Amino acid sequence: EAGVTQFPSHSVIEKGQTVTLRCDPISGHDNLYWYRRVMGKEIKFLLHFVKESKQDESGMPNNRFLAERTGGTYSTLKVQPAELEDSGVYFCASSDPTGSGKETQYFGPGTRLLVL
Amino acid sequence: AQSVTQLGSHVSVSEGALVLLRCNYSSSVPPYLFWYVQYPNQGLQLLLKYTSAATLVKGINGFEAEFKKSETSFHLTKPSAHMSDAAEYFCAVSGTSYGKLTFGQGTILTVHP
Repeated sequence: EAGVTQFPSHSVIEKGQTVTLRCDPISGHDNLYWYRRVMGKEIKFLLHFVKESKQDESGMPNNRFLAERTGGTYSTLKVQPAELEDSGVYFCASSDPTGSGKETQYFGPGTRLLVL
Repeated sequence: AQSVTQLGSHVSVSEGALVLLRCNYSSSVPPYLFWYVQYPNQGLQLLLKYTSAATLVKGINGFEAEFKKSETSFHLTKPSAHMSDAAEYFCAVSGTSYGKLTFGQGTILTVHP
């Protein structure tokens, strides 16, 4: 069974440009999460999809970040325009649809974003 | 609100020695607790989790953790370290019905020959 995949693995862009990150969850996983780790800091929650609906987007930093999940399958996270403080590693995770809070989240390898 | 504190951003042990990584949590609801490991250039992998069943939880690769409510702790241990255990370890808590994880700062484990 394929795990969570993320694309690209690395991205280097200039301040003001746009970047789109993609996450493909494990097949059948209705829950999809985005997290971010800024250098030297802890991993922080960004948002949570249940199928195609945003369940919780309380962690999104500001309106420069837009997340979508087309048809409840893959998800994209767009940063427009990118700022220096957006640099970090963006993780995607998915889990079974039990909704209990105890289910295991399976993480992708992350996208390393560097904004210059 | 929930929070996690991992004591020690770096821990160094000799091969064969006990591994002890500390995690304390704060949660206003009964918590679910997780330990994840990240090897270089890989994603986070679940080591073990506490979901209100047995307080002593055994995980993969010989790791285990004990949930202590009175101490609000969930420390990770392994009796004998291997070189392959060198990685970064994350403690996380979830207390909601939707599984949003709150992470600690991470602990980098170094294992010396």
